[in-house]
Amino acid sequence: DAGVTQSPTHLIKTRGQQVTLRCSPISGHKSVSWYQQVLGQGPQFIFQYYEKEERGRGNFPDRFSARQFPNYSSELNVNALLLGDSALYLCASSPPSPTFNRGQDVGAQYFGPGTRLTVL
Amino acid sequence: GQQLNQSPQSMFIQEGEDVSMNCTSSSIFNTWLWYKQEPGEGPVLLIALYKAGELTSNGRLTAQFGITRKDSFLNISASIPSDVGIYFCAGLPMRFGAGTRLTVKP
Repeated sequence: DAGVTQSPTHLIKTRGQQVTLRCSPISGHKSVSWYQQVLGQGPQFIFQYYEKEERGRGNFPDRFSARQFPNYSSELNVNALLLGDSALYLCASSPPSPTFNRGQDVGAQYFGPGTRLTVL
Repeated sequence: GQQLNQSPQSMFIQEGEDVSMNCTSSSIFNTWLWYKQEPGEGPVLLIALYKAGELTSNGRLTAQFGITRKDSFLNISASIPSDVGIYFCAGLPMRFGAGTRLTVKP
């Protein structure tokens, strides 16, 4: 079975430009989340989408936006790129949680290989 | 916000040794996850824990969901060179620890 796929794998942009990253979830997964990982740190949560609705947002500026499509794929957009946006951007998809009764409707997250963004 | 404190930061061990790492939080999580990440790749899910007190194994890996729901540990038994990587704990809704970098000497 295909895992989470992301495109492109690498990207080089200059400051001020805009970028769109793409993600296709595992078949049957309805939730997609986006993370930013800078070197030497754990992934930082950016967005979570479930059934095409935004379910959560991390502490990132409004330059970051995302959306989920009817086929559950997702795009992450970053406007007005800064040098500090250089990072590995990870997408993860999730099946429903086995503990739905706790109000946690999304289960474990399965990550794609990431998109390495370099801003010059 | 919810912070996860993961320790140790790094470990250098001999092949065949057992490894233990843990994650603590001041907040409650309903799900704890453990991942392994190798250079240039995304994190790979190792173990998912959904109930307080749950103890789950995956081959040589064993993880437990603390009874207070504020901590979790991961043990690796009889380490081998391919265990090298960075191990992350994560709590849902998604917060990651800073990672434990594991080096295994043959």
